[in-house]
Amino acid sequence: DTGVSQDPRHKITKRGQNVTFRCDPISEHNRLYWYRQTLGQGPEFLTYFQNEAQLEKSRLLSDRFSAERPKGSFSTLEIQRTEQGDSAMYLCASSLGTGGGYGYTFGSGTRLTVV
Amino acid sequence: DQQVKQNSPSLSVQEGRISILNCDYTNSMFDYFLWYKKYPAEGPTFLISISSIKDKNEDGRFTVFLNKSAKHLSLHIVPSQPGDSAVYFCAASATSGTYKYIFGTGTRLKVLA
Repeated sequence: DTGVSQDPRHKITKRGQNVTFRCDPISEHNRLYWYRQTLGQGPEFLTYFQNEAQLEKSRLLSDRFSAERPKGSFSTLEIQRTEQGDSAMYLCASSLGTGGGYGYTFGSGTRLTVV
Repeated sequence: DQQVKQNSPSLSVQEGRISILNCDYTNSMFDYFLWYKKYPAEGPTFLISISSIKDKNEDGRFTVFLNKSAKHLSLHIVPSQPGDSAVYFCAASATSGTYKYIFGTGTRLKVLA
């Protein structure tokens, strides 16, 4: 078990381009979360999957953002028509549990820079 | 609305002394709390947790205290070591919901040798 993996670690893209990030959670974890972190802020919740079902999406997740978790395994986060305001660290986390009271394991993140 | 607040953006402490990091929350539904440590260019790593049924939890040099009536928690690190220098985030969750955690803005701790 190598923990939560995120790919790529860094992405530089031009404004208006589409980007896709991948997250591979810890294999037995049924929950997967995406967060975004900007400079000087804490991680902000974007969306949450329990197995393959996307159960909650934040208001931060505009129509340009879409996330999937096919077959309850890895997850992808796509941003269409990127804007400079999308520049941030995108963090994926996973956890195991059917109830509350479990912490997350975070990946190392994907740093997105939109130029 | 900032439901979890860390009002001190930075803290400097001498090696060997106690570091105290504070966190306040506003949502009375929060009943599970975590502290994470983050080094530059890495994801946050879990440090210690506390449930609302407790008021203290200890793990080695780290102790978390919870004051439910004041909606306040604190992380004590004793003794502080230079390797503890990092950004510390507190996070809170309502276990009856989707189990997502709301994070504070972080406190940058610098332990001086």
